[in-house]
Amino acid sequence: QKEVEQDPGPLSVPEGAIVSLNCTYSNSAFQYFMWYRQYSRKGPELLMYTYSSGNKEDGRFTAQVDKSSKYISLFIRDSQPSDSATYLCAMRRNSGNTPLVFGKGTRLSVIA
Amino acid sequence: GAVVSQHPSRVICKSGTSVKIECRSLDFQATTMFWYRQFPKQSLMLMATSNEGSKATYEQGVEKDKFLINHASLTLSTLTVTSAHPEDSSFYICSARGEGAGQPQHFGDGTRLSIL
Repeated sequence: QKEVEQDPGPLSVPEGAIVSLNCTYSNSAFQYFMWYRQYSRKGPELLMYTYSSGNKEDGRFTAQVDKSSKYISLFIRDSQPSDSATYLCAMRRNSGNTPLVFGKGTRLSVIA
Repeated sequence: GAVVSQHPSRVICKSGTSVKIECRSLDFQATTMFWYRQFPKQSLMLMATSNEGSKATYEQGVEKDKFLINHASLTLSTLTVTSAHPEDSSFYICSARGEGAGQPQHFGDGTRLSIL
């Protein structure tokens, strides 16, 4: 079993839809959870950053972490064509310079 | 938000050339920097982790003599691909994290390297 599992998609939704992206993980030591958005030929852009369990909202984006289920989610409300990108979940332990562990990324297309 | 600047964004050069890529944290001190390689439609593959003033730690299978990493200051790290060959063609991305356990990690916009 991989440390972080993420459905690669592709996921195609109409403009205005609510998008739900998620990742599962196996390492209970993960404490920091991130969602990145990556456009083609660009580096990943940090969207959401959460510590431990709970919800975090920023504009149209909501991140949820359920450590008991080892499950994290990113919701995008009122999706726009400009949201079309690859979304990567990432997480790491709370110690030293441990690197991020990434999911494979989900390709999202929002159709106008 | 925090910005990581990576330069150049695109390099095309002949086989045997050495190529240097720069990564700068513009508004924070990056105690740790990471270098990744990404193949088309795949996730990021960590190559090495570097701390300011220390030797980089390379991931298994990454040749340290091929990919030279220098992290001489808290705002600058460089990756030099020595004697590059066509199989080194890829998308290289740097990332930086500030001091402290809770600091997020920010990425540069990547360098697309093409070796002819």
